[in-house]
Amino acid sequence: AQSVTQPDIHITVSEGASLELRCNYSYGATPYLFWYVQSPGQGLQLLLKYFSGDTLVQGIKGFEAEFKRSQSSFNLRKPSVHWSDAAEYFCAVPSSGGSYIPTFGRGTSLIVHP
Amino acid sequence: NAGVTQTPKFQVLKTGQSMTLQCAQDMNHEYMSWYRQDPGMGLRLIHYSVGAGITDQGEVPNGYNVSRSTTEDFPLRLLSAAPSQTSVYFCASSYSSGNIQYFGAGTRLSVL
Repeated sequence: AQSVTQPDIHITVSEGASLELRCNYSYGATPYLFWYVQSPGQGLQLLLKYFSGDTLVQGIKGFEAEFKRSQSSFNLRKPSVHWSDAAEYFCAVPSSGGSYIPTFGRGTSLIVHP
Repeated sequence: NAGVTQTPKFQVLKTGQSMTLQCAQDMNHEYMSWYRQDPGMGLRLIHYSVGAGITDQGEVPNGYNVSRSTTEDFPLRLLSAAPSQTSVYFCASSYSSGNIQYFGAGTRLSVL
């Protein structure tokens, strides 16, 4: 079955520092991959997606992610974090069985220190 | 466009009560889903629909019912609320399978 692992429950960074959030997936074929962000008290919003082609994808708010097939990873990066980036981040991959409804990782909570 | 609208935003129930969480989308999306979010558990799929009249179970369907009579609406019914159903519930829609999901703002439910 398809699955997504986000190894880090919490990540703390200082404002202005770089950021990398990890995501590993299990999928039988080349997957569609997504990163979503959830601000406190809000629903989820798409940050970026990988469907095919260039393995480095750009998203909103200055985020990017790189698909590495050999490592089954799709890590999210940002070169300089802003205080407003404090949020919960979710990696997702379509499930199996034909519906392809996304399966989400457990999320990584980003804490930004001033 | 309003996108995905969920009502109510907050609800408190007593054990054994029933209620319906409403979800409506105005994007003409075929796919709609209900998730619950619990601390440390991420989002878990409750039920989903791939079009009007077609629904199926997700990972955690017990205690919940759904129906899809129109493309726009996908209500989630709690038949007999239990404290274990205390959670934040999100509705989402997408244009097609495997595509981007658009989420509502959520319903925070407490069952006492």
